[in-house]
Amino acid sequence: DAKTTQPPSMDCAEGRAANLPCNHSTISGNEYVYWYRQIHSQGPQYIIHGLKNNETNEMASLIITEDRKSSTLILPHATLRDTAVYYCIVRYTSGTYKYIFGTGTRLKVLA
Amino acid sequence: EAGVTQFPSHSVIEKGQTVTLRCDPISGHDNLYWYRRVMGKEIKFLLHFVKESKQDESGMPNNRFLAERTGGTYSTLKVQPAELEDSGVYFCASSQDPGVGNTEAFFGQGTRLTVV
Repeated sequence: DAKTTQPPSMDCAEGRAANLPCNHSTISGNEYVYWYRQIHSQGPQYIIHGLKNNETNEMASLIITEDRKSSTLILPHATLRDTAVYYCIVRYTSGTYKYIFGTGTRLKVLA
Repeated sequence: EAGVTQFPSHSVIEKGQTVTLRCDPISGHDNLYWYRRVMGKEIKFLLHFVKESKQDESGMPNNRFLAERTGGTYSTLKVQPAELEDSGVYFCASSQDPGVGNTEAFFGQGTRLTVV
């Protein structure tokens, strides 16, 4: 199974951009990169996903390197409510479509 | 629209007892997944249903775990007999056909299981 590696924790000042890196060097060509976050005692919440191209939605941007071995999730203007554990996930795109979770990054947004 | 609902939210049982967790997916979602996180570990895949059929149960830890999805609606996950190492948070997720536009899965709040 493809594996993701993330820093265990990061701090970010409120109002600044939060850049969360992820390594997925063993990703296969047909596997997507998904990002979820988990706020204390809630279930994982979808943020964004991509295959090759950079993606942007109302929550975040996802930058995937050309070789697809790493990606960065960008929260453009972090707020205190963005404090959570962020998971970079590789998802199979055939058969089971299961998620392979990493250990996640605990992001703390500071006032 | 209601999200993925899990019952109970918490369960404390003694070692050797049986516990049944329930998951109600989002209406119309044929794909249902079970995941769990045991203490200090990553969230791990358990199994995947497509309607009432098990598509992949490679993550089920042993035969003490039984998942069902009769009629292709809600699903149950039964642990019998429960052991101490089964303690953790069990998540259920559902999605539309993931092969179409690679749609995301929606997770429930989880059931926190404590075996004492």
